This record gives sequence, structure tokens and C-alpha cells, in this order.
Amino acid sequence: AQTVTQSQPEMSVQEAETVTLSCTYDTSESDYYLFWYKQPPSRQMILVIRQEAYKQQNATENRFSVNFQKAAKSFSLKISDSQLGDAAMYFCAYRNSGNTPLVFGKGTRLSVIA
Amino acid sequence: EAQVTQNPRYLITVTGKKLTVTCSQNMNHEYMSWYRQDPGLGLRQIYYSMNVEVTDKGDVPEGYKVSRKEKRNFPLILESPSPNQTSLYFCASRPRGGWTEAFFGQGTRLTVV
Repeated sequence: AQTVTQSQPEMSVQEAETVTLSCTYDTSESDYYLFWYKQPPSRQMILVIRQEAYKQQNATENRFSVNFQKAAKSFSLKISDSQLGDAAMYFCAYRNSGNTPLVFGKGTRLSVIA
Repeated sequence: EAQVTQNPRYLITVTGKKLTVTCSQNMNHEYMSWYRQDPGLGLRQIYYSMNVEVTDKGDVPEGYKVSRKEKRNFPLILESPSPNQTSLYFCASRPRGGWTEAFFGQGTRLTVV
């Protein structure tokens, strides 16, 4: 079974600085998808960014980018120019191709210091 | 507005009293799913449905039931709730062929005493 590991339960960053959240996963599949979700205090789950395993180019969405290392099974999230509104729980998630369920990591709580 | 709507947002109930958490989406999505979120465990899938009358177990289905009689609705049923089902529950949906559940409900905080 696939597993997703987020080794940093909590992180903090100064406003306007850059922070990187780590995620590793375990799979024997070659075709899969990876995601980062944000959960602010409102509890709403928000899809931040996604990456297809067959794409070598790292995904980018505005201030959010990923470092996808397929051989190392690593999928880190970089947040640039951190803002107070970035404070949230961040979940890394994995899914095989086809109609398979998402597998979530346990989350990293990010605090942004003004 | 495209959305997934869950009700209720908060619920406190007693052990053994049947309850239903409703979930409705207005995007004509084929795929719907239920997750529970517990501290230190992330989100775990309870049940999912790929279309009307098609449901299947996720990772933690024990103690739960679902039904999918209409495309838009996917209720979660707890026939005999127990305290270990105290959790935050999310319903989510995506279209056929969609990469992931991009639309989540607002969450239902359930407490079973």
C-alpha cells in the first residue's frame, strides 16, 4: 500500500521569507499524481498544487512551487514571499492513476510570523 | 457557484443514536467520497462512489454506510455511532477523469458521547 510521510509536524516562517515543506511517499507504481492541500483555520480543504509523475517539470502556481524528485520519491512544497494568509495545515497527498483514493500525509502546521 | 455542501456543520450525539450527514454537489460530478480527519492521522477515506448506485469501501469503512441514489447526493450514515467515531468529516467530489478531489465540503465536526 502507498504511504505518504510528512516529517515536519510544525514549521514557522517569517513574513516575506521562503519556506519548504517536505513530503516523501512510497509506491511501486510508475503512473501517479501528487498534490498539496492547504487547510486554514476555517477547515476548508483547498487544492494548492498538483504534479503528474510522468512530467519532469516541476509544477508552479504563483508563489507555490514543488520540487519533485521521482527517483527519491520526494515532493516538497516551496512557498515564496510568505504571507500571513499562508498560515495553515498543509497536507501532501498521493493518488494512483484510475479511480483510486487519495492517500494523505499527516500534515504540517505552518505558522507565519509577522 | 460550484460547491459541495455538507450538513450539519456541527453535531453532538449520544452513543447508538443513528445519524446521517448529508452531502450534495452541484457540479454534476461522477465521483464523490467521504473522509475523516483525526489529529496526527491526516485524512482517511471512508467510502467513495464512482457514480449512481456504485459505492465502494475506502480505508476505514467500519461503522459507516453510504448510498448514492442520485448523482448529486452522497449521504454518510452512522447506524450506531460510538465515541471512536468522534472526528471531523469531509465530503469531496471530482468529475470523471479528474485528477483529484478539488472540491471539498466545509466539514462536519461530529462528537459522540
